[in-house]
Amino acid sequence: GDSVTQMEGPVTLSEEAFLTINCTYTATGYPSLFWYVQYPGEGLQLLLKATKADDKGSNKGFEATYRKETTSFHLEKGSVQVSDSAVYFCALNTGANSKLTFGKGITLSVRP
Amino acid sequence: DTEVTQTPKHLVMGMTNKKSLKCEQHMGHRAMYWYKQKAKKPPELMFVYSYEKLSINESVPSRFSPECPNSSLLNLHLHALQPEDSALYLCASSRFGGAGPAETQYFGPGTRLLVL
Repeated sequence: GDSVTQMEGPVTLSEEAFLTINCTYTATGYPSLFWYVQYPGEGLQLLLKATKADDKGSNKGFEATYRKETTSFHLEKGSVQVSDSAVYFCALNTGANSKLTFGKGITLSVRP
Repeated sequence: DTEVTQTPKHLVMGMTNKKSLKCEQHMGHRAMYWYKQKAKKPPELMFVYSYEKLSINESVPSRFSPECPNSSLLNLHLHALQPEDSALYLCASSRFGGAGPAETQYFGPGTRLLVL
């Protein structure tokens, strides 16, 4: 079945540090890939997405590139801020029955 | 505008109570979803409505009863819940539902439910 694997957390960084959060996937067909962010006490917000191989999604300084050859969709940001502290979920959608398959999520804490 | 609203924000109920969660979107989306999220876990899909018809029920206990009165509204009726049902309940919507992998789901802020 479809699955998403995220690196183990939590991750703690200092402000302005470089961020990489790894995400790899297994899926049948050609999935779309998503990063959602959940700030404390809130629902999920779409951060970025990519719908085909080599697409790069970007938003709020975050980027992720859909790599079919390595089945990966790693999230990066050049300089994190305290306000980026949140839980980040990688997810895929193969289009089957509208289902999103989520990774376990990773908590990012950014220190001033 | 990609807003999904949910009420109430917080809900405390006893195991014999009946309550309802409400979700609304005005984006013209035709698919709506209920998810359950336990602390430090990803959301788990419960129900999907597509064009106001229930298309997916992920073997959810009957004490949870969804309703889609129209294309903008989604309710979740709760009855005789258990303490282990305490969680964040998230609503989401998408344009069509099952239209393909590129379809994006937009989430509401959730209702935090505590069952005593």
